Order: sequence, then C-alpha cells, then structure tokens
Amino acid sequence: AQRVTQPEKLLSVFKGAPVELKCNYSYSGSPELFWYVQYSRQRLQLLLRHISRESIKGFTADLNKGETSFHLKKPFAQEEDSAMYYCALRPGGYQKVTFGTGTKLQVIP
Amino acid sequence: DGGITQSPKYLFRKEGQNVTLSCEQNLNHDAMYWYRQDPGQGLRLIYYSQIVNDFQKGDIAEGYSVSREKKESFPLTVTSAQKNPTAFYLCASSTSLSGTGDYGYTFGSGTRLTVV
Repeated sequence: AQRVTQPEKLLSVFKGAPVELKCNYSYSGSPELFWYVQYSRQRLQLLLRHISRESIKGFTADLNKGETSFHLKKPFAQEEDSAMYYCALRPGGYQKVTFGTGTKLQVIP
Repeated sequence: DGGITQSPKYLFRKEGQNVTLSCEQNLNHDAMYWYRQDPGQGLRLIYYSQIVNDFQKGDIAEGYSVSREKKESFPLTVTSAQKNPTAFYLCASSTSLSGTGDYGYTFGSGTRLTVV
C-alpha cells in the first residue's frame, strides 16, 4: 500500500527566507503526486501536481523517483504563504488518493 | 457557480444518535469521496464512490455508511457505532479520468461534527 510522509508538523520561517516543505512517499509503481493547501478559513485546494511541472504562487516541486520525494519549495517566503500544506499521492490509473499528515507553514514577518 | 456544497457547517449529535452529512456537487464529477480530518492525522478516507450506485470502503469505514443514488449527491451517515465521531468531515469530488484534464480533487468547505 502507498504511504505519504510529511516529517514536519510545523515549519516556521522568516519572510524572505527560502521554504522547503518535505514530502516522501512509498509506492512501488509510478504515482502521481500533488500538493494541496488550506489557507485559514478557506477550503482545501490543489496547489500543484507534478505532471504539469508548473510554478504556482512561486512554489515548485520536483518528483525525485530515486529518493521517492516530492518536496515543495519557494525561494522567498511571503506572509500570505502561511497555511496548512498536504502532500498527496495517487497510484497510476486509480482515483484513490493518499494524503500526508500535513505541515503547517508559519511565515514570520 | 460550480462547486461542492456541504451542509450543515456545524452539527451536534447526542450519544447513540445517527446523523447524516450532506454533500452535493454540480461539477458533473463521477467520483466522490468522504474524508475525516483530525489534528495531527491529516486526511483519512472513509468512503469513496466512482459511479452512481457503487461505493467502496476507505481506510476508516467502520461506524459510517454512505449512499450514491444520484451523481450529484453522496451523503454520509455517522452511526452510533462510530466510537469517536467528533471531527471535521470533508467531501471531495473528481473526474473519473486519470489523464489530461484531471486537476485533482475539489473539496467542500467541511462539516464539523461534535458529540455532546
């Protein structure tokens, strides 16, 4: 069975500092990886997916199959980035997604 | 305005009662899901449905039941058999296709259930 690990419950960084939210997964096949974000008092929403290889709100994430990781990065943190971030994995061809336990990002002004 | 609507936003239940949480979507999505969100435990899948009149147990289905009589609706019943029902419940939907055009899940705003 697949598993997603987010080792940090809370990550605090200063405004303007680089951000890296860690995500490691275990799955024997070729999964599809996602990052979801939940801002205060807002719905959980898709931030980005590895297939699209895009940058959203300055965030990027690269799938590293060798290290089975999908870390979320941003070079300069902004206060509005403060939120709960969930890494998620979907096995190829199936819809059932497994979520990590989430990391709360706190950007200190 | 397309999306998923969950109701009610807050729900209080007495011990021994069954309660039903509503989830309706107008996105024409085939697949729908129920998750439970607890602090420090992330999202855990309760039930999911790929098509009408079919649904599958997730990782923590005990004490819950669902139905999928219409494409738009996927209600969740929390039964008295659920030993620790106080939690935040999230409904989600997605297209059934796994290729181009699938943008992940669309989530509802959630229902907070409290047992009193």
